[in-house]
Order: sequence, then C-alpha cells, then structure tokens
Amino acid sequence: KNEVEQSPQNLTAQEGEFITINCSYSVGISALHWLQQHPGGGIVSLFMLSSGKKKHGRLIATINIQEKHSSLHITASHPRDSAVYICAVSPTDKLIFGTGTRLQVFP
Amino acid sequence: DVKVTQSSRYLVKRTGEKVFLECVQDMDHENMFWYRQDPGLGLRLIYFSYDVKMKEKGDIPEGYSVSREKKERFSLILESASTNQTSMYLCASSLLRRTGELFFGEGSRLTVL
Repeated sequence: KNEVEQSPQNLTAQEGEFITINCSYSVGISALHWLQQHPGGGIVSLFMLSSGKKKHGRLIATINIQEKHSSLHITASHPRDSAVYICAVSPTDKLIFGTGTRLQVFP
Repeated sequence: DVKVTQSSRYLVKRTGEKVFLECVQDMDHENMFWYRQDPGLGLRLIYFSYDVKMKEKGDIPEGYSVSREKKERFSLILESASTNQTSMYLCASSLLRRTGELFFGEGSRLTVL
C-alpha cells in the first residue's frame, strides 16, 4: 500500500464546476505539499500546509492532521486548470509523493 | 522571479554513454534534489544535497552519482546510461528541509537508445 494515496486518478469537468482532489497519507508528517504539473513537465508549488486551510485565488487547500487527509479544491474551474495535481508529504527530510490526479476541464 | 534552471529539456543518448544533467538555482537555497518521474510511479528521489560537497542517497541511487561543488549547482551524472534510465528528470531546491516550499526546474526528458 502506498504511503500517499490520491483520488481520483483522473477527473474531467466542465468549465465552472467545483473540483475536489483528495490526498490520504499513512505516516506522521511535518508538512503536506500540493503541486501542479502542466503538460511539458514543469512543476509548480501551489501550497505547503501543516494545519488548517490556505487559499490562493480560486484554489483552496485543507488538511486534517488527525485524519491524515488533505483536499485541494478549485472553484469556478477553467480549462487552464487542466494539469496533473500532485500531493506530497514530508515525514522525514525526504518527500513522499502521490502518483497524481490528472484533471481535464472542458469549455 | 526565483528560478531553477535545468541545462537540457530533451536529450537522446546511446547505451553506455556518460550523461550529465545540470541544475542551477538562483535563490541561495542549501537544499537541492534530483528526482525521476515515470508514468504510474510518481516522483522518486535519486539524490539530494543539503550543502556544498554534501550528498545523500535517495530511494533509487543505483546507476547515478551527483556533484555539488558550488551552492547553486547540483549535477546528476549517469556514468553509463542504460535504457531503463529513460525518464523525465526533475531538479528541485528548497530553503528549509522538511517545511520549505519546493521550486522545480522545467525537467529534462532523457531517452537512452
């Protein structure tokens, strides 16, 4: 069993829909990262959080440390949100990555 | 803008060749990482470094070595490339070890024939 599980693996949505991507982990952590990877390779850090909730524009990330669970929400989704979203946790100095959620948003 | 720059976006090499992948960051970060990314496996850590001339093995170091002679530069070396090293290679840096935001390069897609 992977230490970091993301769901769903693939997600399609219509423009404007509210999107939720989930991340569950089985280890104690110092922080959890949400990353975005567009086609072509480059990865961008969206959030790093260790408790509570963070918001940036249309993106919201929450974490529940007791339940070992985090969610990434996208409000009013747009085709430019189409990307792979990756969850990563840091139980030690080395990050453990989920395998990603591929999101496609259609106009 | 902060930046992590990888020397080559695409490389094609032959089996047995020595391959150098270079990564430079301009943020004065002490922590630098090399990952490979393969479909269905996610990112896997090859090597990391917390300081100049310091290196630590990650989860899949076999077949790779690294060099960090200067703080801003972290190089990944494939001494004798093999076809199973065909992959996307990503360099990253961070200011703090466990709780630092990660900054990634654009990636280097290596094909070994």
